[in-house]
Amino acid sequence: GQSLEQPSEVTAVEGAIVQINCTYQTSGFYGLSWYQQHDGGAPTFLSYNALDGLEETGRFSSFLSRSDSYGYLLLQELQMKDSASYFCAVSHGGGYQKVTFGTGTKLQVIP
Amino acid sequence: DAGVIQSPRHEVTEMGQEVTLRCKPISGHDYLFWYRQTMMRGLELLIYFNNNVPIDDSGMPEDRFSAKMPNASFSTLKIQPSEPRDSAVYFCASSSLGRDEKLFFGSGTQLSVL
Repeated sequence: GQSLEQPSEVTAVEGAIVQINCTYQTSGFYGLSWYQQHDGGAPTFLSYNALDGLEETGRFSSFLSRSDSYGYLLLQELQMKDSASYFCAVSHGGGYQKVTFGTGTKLQVIP
Repeated sequence: DAGVIQSPRHEVTEMGQEVTLRCKPISGHDYLFWYRQTMMRGLELLIYFNNNVPIDDSGMPEDRFSAKMPNASFSTLKIQPSEPRDSAVYFCASSSLGRDEKLFFGSGTQLSVL
């Protein structure tokens, strides 16, 4: 089966940098995605990595190492509005892709 | 496009009743996913469709759960009979995986079974 591990909670200071790690075990791996979910809201897409390396989108960056089955989400210049849950998700499958989510990391940004 | 549309937003029902959740995916998307979210189990994949065909329903917890996609613009998730442990937020998401790796989620249905 598939498994994804990420820390359950992280606290960081406004303006700082925080890294949320994700390790996964799966077969038929296509790529690793990250989603943000505010309390009471729906998950929204942040980034996707299919190849090794770093992808940057504004204040957010995502990294993937396929050989280590590991990725991380890097949030820079933290703002209070970044307080939310962050999920890593693997796209995997044989012919068809499916997307399995990790348990999520609740990020609290403090002043 | 209005995005993925789910209805109802909230559903309160009594144990034993039938519950039907509805989803309209984004036009042009060929994948549709149903997820259930709880504090204990996180976001669980229940079932997904490709071009209206169910591909994998291994996440459906019991025979009480069923899902259909009669056409490209509509899907339902039905629970019959409902039980208190089914209380959760149910999300529908659509995508065109392989061309665009984003999943677009609906606003979810908050289900409470009393």
